[in-house]
Amino acid sequence: AQSVAQPEDQVNVAEGNPLTVKCTYSVSGNPYLFWYVQYPNRGLQFLLKYITGDNLVKGSYGFEAEFNKSQTSFHLKKPSALVSDSALYFCAVRDRTNAGKSTFGDGTTLTVKP
Amino acid sequence: DGGITQSPKYLFRKEGQNVTLSCEQNLNHDAMYWYRQDPGQGLRLIYYSQIVNDFQKGDIAEGYSVSREKKESFPLTVTSAQKNPTAFYLCASSIVGLASYNEQFFGPGTRLTVL
Repeated sequence: AQSVAQPEDQVNVAEGNPLTVKCTYSVSGNPYLFWYVQYPNRGLQFLLKYITGDNLVKGSYGFEAEFNKSQTSFHLKKPSALVSDSALYFCAVRDRTNAGKSTFGDGTTLTVKP
Repeated sequence: DGGITQSPKYLFRKEGQNVTLSCEQNLNHDAMYWYRQDPGQGLRLIYYSQIVNDFQKGDIAEGYSVSREKKESFPLTVTSAQKNPTAFYLCASSIVGLASYNEQFFGPGTRLTVL
């Protein structure tokens, strides 16, 4: 069975400060990992994904994420937060070796204050 | 929200009624998915389809039904057997099926409320 944990329901940062949204996962095989963002009453938008290779993945809107196999983590980061980054963020995992379904975390609400 | 449309945006259902949520995509994607989103919870998979005329149950299929008669369409019916259907429903699609590293594209969602 695969699972995703987003340990923080809410993250608050000041505009201009770096932000981190945490994600840990569990799969029996090797993972594909994804980050999505959701604005109120909208669908999810893809931000970035880890497939293989370089552990640091760069994505849309200046976001990046670091894959850490030993810690089974895939934390989302941004060097300088914007107020417009305020949204709900979801981490998702898919086990590539078992052709499994995607499992989503419960989401983390990011609030960036001016 | 890419090339996926969902209708209606808001839907109200009376007890005992079946309702159908529409999902259409013009991305030429093979795979389509239905998710349910409740406050404070992640997305839960209801049904998915990797090819026309074929679909599989997800984690919470009870009380729901789907069809995939056309590649671009994947309607979801919420039946009266679904005891707690009030939720936000999201449709998604991807280029290839489940064994893939391709991301999913999501529609704008339908908010269903039971009166």
